[in-house]
Amino acid sequence: EPEVTQTPSHQVTQMGQEVILRCVPISNHLYFYWYRQILGQKVEFLVSFYNNEISEKSEIFDDQFSVERPDGSNFTLKIRSTKLEDSAMYFCASTGTVFEVYGYTFGSGTRLTVV
Amino acid sequence: GQQLNQSPQSMFIQEGEDVSMNCTSSSIFNTWLWYKQDPGEGPVLLIALYKAGELTSNGRLTAQFGITRKDSFLNISASIPSDVGIYFCAGQLPGKLIFGQGTTLQVKP
Repeated sequence: EPEVTQTPSHQVTQMGQEVILRCVPISNHLYFYWYRQILGQKVEFLVSFYNNEISEKSEIFDDQFSVERPDGSNFTLKIRSTKLEDSAMYFCASTGTVFEVYGYTFGSGTRLTVV
Repeated sequence: GQQLNQSPQSMFIQEGEDVSMNCTSSSIFNTWLWYKQDPGEGPVLLIALYKAGELTSNGRLTAQFGITRKDSFLNISASIPSDVGIYFCAGQLPGKLIFGQGTTLQVKP
């Protein structure tokens, strides 16, 4: 079964440092997403990306965040200057269409710890 | 913004017991979803509901979409140890999901 792959599984970074989280979405999917889950809390939408543009972003996705699809397979989330409150699990997801449900596939996540 | 309120927050039950959890929203969603999350993993879709009043089963799981499209429940019958995890309801909007706070289920063998 096709998978969304995320690397690394765990990243520890110093406050103020830049971090890049990487995702390889399912190959024939066109829509890509990042979600965040602070420990013990709900999963929150960050951003959606289609046709090399941000489609929608939440209030959480401020100027410190950016996304990029640098080549035909990777989808990255960059945090420019990490803060302690950025510590969370970050999930990448992808779909073939914007209304897709059963194909809405999440990766296993990257646990980001900012110290 | 849209918010989903999920209850209970946690449940600790004996193996074999039935479980029920529910979710309410102040907004209408056209599609309602139930996910399970195992530790260190991403959410995995269990059931999707599309029609108001719809009752859908997936093995031991049964979910219903409320007539008002603002609520849903999930039932798990005859729980087993591998049912342990966090269960999330989610409402689907074009291109994104709005999640509830989750129900943590623990099953005692």
